[in-house]
Amino acid sequence: AQSVAQPEDQVNVAEGNPLTVKCTYSVSGNPYLFWYVQYPNRGLQFLLKYITGDNLVKGSYGFEAEFNKSQTSFHLKKPSALVSDSALYFCAVRRSTSGTYKYIFGTGTRLKVLA
Amino acid sequence: DAGVIQSPRHEVTEMGQEVTLRCKPISGHDYLFWYRQTMMRGLELLIYFNNNVPIDDSGMPEDRFSAKMPNASFSTLKIQPSEPRDSAVYFCASREGETQETQYFGPGTRLLVL
Repeated sequence: AQSVAQPEDQVNVAEGNPLTVKCTYSVSGNPYLFWYVQYPNRGLQFLLKYITGDNLVKGSYGFEAEFNKSQTSFHLKKPSALVSDSALYFCAVRRSTSGTYKYIFGTGTRLKVLA
Repeated sequence: DAGVIQSPRHEVTEMGQEVTLRCKPISGHDYLFWYRQTMMRGLELLIYFNNNVPIDDSGMPEDRFSAKMPNASFSTLKIQPSEPRDSAVYFCASREGETQETQYFGPGTRLLVL
């Protein structure tokens, strides 16, 4: 079975500091991994994805994530946080070889960037 | 494109009533997904369609829930009869083709069942 864990319910970081939002996954075979962001009263917005290739993936708004197969992790990072980055972040996984497009989402991590 | 459109944005109803949620996917997208978001369970996939055909409905909680996609530009999620535990935000998302993994989410419908 596929699963995603986001171990932190909330992450606080000062504006200008680097941020990391953690995600680990469990899936048989090769994973497709995603990060989405949700602002209040809005739907989820796509940030970035790992499908294949370079383990470091760059996405929207200066975010990046590193796929680590040995640690089954896909942590989201940004070198310098902005107050406007404050939102709810979701990690998601899909098994690449499955015949279904069933995406499993983590429970979300609330990022709070303090001015 | 206007993106994924959902209606209504908010719905308040009483237990036992029928609720119908609507979704218009992005034009040209082949896949449509219905999700439910609650504090307790997070974001759960309920059902998804490919070319208007339901492919995986294993996430539909029970027979009170049903979903249809009569054409490529419209889908409904119906709850009959509704119960207070159905209170949640329901999202519709669409994606294009077999190789595009990115999903585009609508703004959601916030449902409150009293």
